[in-house]
Amino acid sequence: ETGVTQSPTHLIKTRGQQVTLRCSSQSGHNTVSWYQQALGQGPQFIFQYYREEENGRGNFPPRFSGLQFPNYSSELNVNALELDDSALYLCASSLGVAGGPQETQYFGPGTRLLVL
Amino acid sequence: AQTVTQSQPEMSVQEAETVTLSCTYDTSESDYYLFWYKQPPSRQMILVIRQEAYKQQNATENRFSVNFQKAAKSFSLKISDSQLGDAAMYFCAYRRRGNTPLVFGKGTRLSVIA
Repeated sequence: ETGVTQSPTHLIKTRGQQVTLRCSSQSGHNTVSWYQQALGQGPQFIFQYYREEENGRGNFPPRFSGLQFPNYSSELNVNALELDDSALYLCASSLGVAGGPQETQYFGPGTRLLVL
Repeated sequence: AQTVTQSQPEMSVQEAETVTLSCTYDTSESDYYLFWYKQPPSRQMILVIRQEAYKQQNATENRFSVNFQKAAKSFSLKISDSQLGDAAMYFCAYRRRGNTPLVFGKGTRLSVIA
């Protein structure tokens, strides 16, 4: 167990709806990264939050947005869901130090999203 | 942009034997980290081993070891005394120094035959 939790574990939505996924980081970690893993593929980086600020973003459209809270937990929001958004969404937490090396990222169990 | 390539979509190994999974990467950076993650059917991504690029010594973790060839940009994972519980998807990942994200390969599915 990594101490990183995600909710819900599974979710079914229809095209055009909005979804919010949640992640609780490991104790002491201040950085949360979100990844999308399509079936049979490696995870793709969505964005990263460090101390409540977004500090990196992958090649995902603006309808993918997020938040990080003072306790360093995080949310991933996806608006106007599309069929291709069906995937496993992983969050990873780590201890990032401004200007310094980041510790290893530890992953949660993921949320499986199915868009119909 | 950095890329990670795993050329073996599937591998199999007999229980108690040794298997090597391949990974190559492309980067212009000199300071970075490399990782192997294991993802069993439960979906949890589990860190297997990590290597700092500035370290010449290959990392080892119990039955898992790597062969890190910096000039060749190669980072293979060797699993010794394979066990049934080693069956999983294995992902090679790269991260440059700093608070940066991981770049993953497409994975290698490892089967362990009893």
